[in-house]
Amino acid sequence: DAGVIQSPRHEVTEMGQEVTLRCKPISGHDYLFWYRQTMMRGLELLIYFNNNVPIDDSGMPEDRFSAKMPNASFSTLKIQPSEPRDSAVYFCASALTETDTQYFGPGTRLTVL
Amino acid sequence: AQSVAQPEDQVNVAEGNPLTVKCTYSVSGNPYLFWYVQYPNRGLQFLLKYITGDNLVKGSYGFEAEFNKSQTSFHLKKPSALVSDSALYFCAVREGYGGATNKLIFGTGTLLAVQP
Repeated sequence: DAGVIQSPRHEVTEMGQEVTLRCKPISGHDYLFWYRQTMMRGLELLIYFNNNVPIDDSGMPEDRFSAKMPNASFSTLKIQPSEPRDSAVYFCASALTETDTQYFGPGTRLTVL
Repeated sequence: AQSVAQPEDQVNVAEGNPLTVKCTYSVSGNPYLFWYVQYPNRGLQFLLKYITGDNLVKGSYGFEAEFNKSQTSFHLKKPSALVSDSALYFCAVREGYGGATNKLIFGTGTLLAVQP
């Protein structure tokens, strides 16, 4: 298996622009998680899905952030409009079950100028 | 609320010496405990986990961790460090099945530096 796939690996954009991050989970995994990593706040869970349904989005910082999972093999995290404080590394992870090991993708490094 | 603490920002050890990276946790029920490693510009890689059973858990790359319920700790250990072990290590905890919360909470990370 190729593992969790994320794209793009790096994204540089200007403040106010829309940013879309993409994730393909490991095939057969029913759970998908979006995390954000910053120096100040460490690793934060933003949202997670079970069978394509959002279960807990309490970590989503504000309405500018949205996430979707239209099918079992694809999820997006969108920021509109983006701000410099959104600069971070965004990770996607997937797991077989809610309590099982989460496997992480390589991350997307987002820089908002 | 569940929490996890990694009291050391950085651990320095000479190659060939044993290493320990500390982790303590707080959960209201039975904990599920994990260690992950992150190399520069890479995602987190799973090392090992404790769910139940033997308190000594063996994982990838020769790492092991000991679950100590009385001290609420889950320290990561390796008998002989390699320079290639130098990376950022994260401890994570969540409540076991049926717990009040479903989230995996990560520590702040400990940078392990192994000197040749």
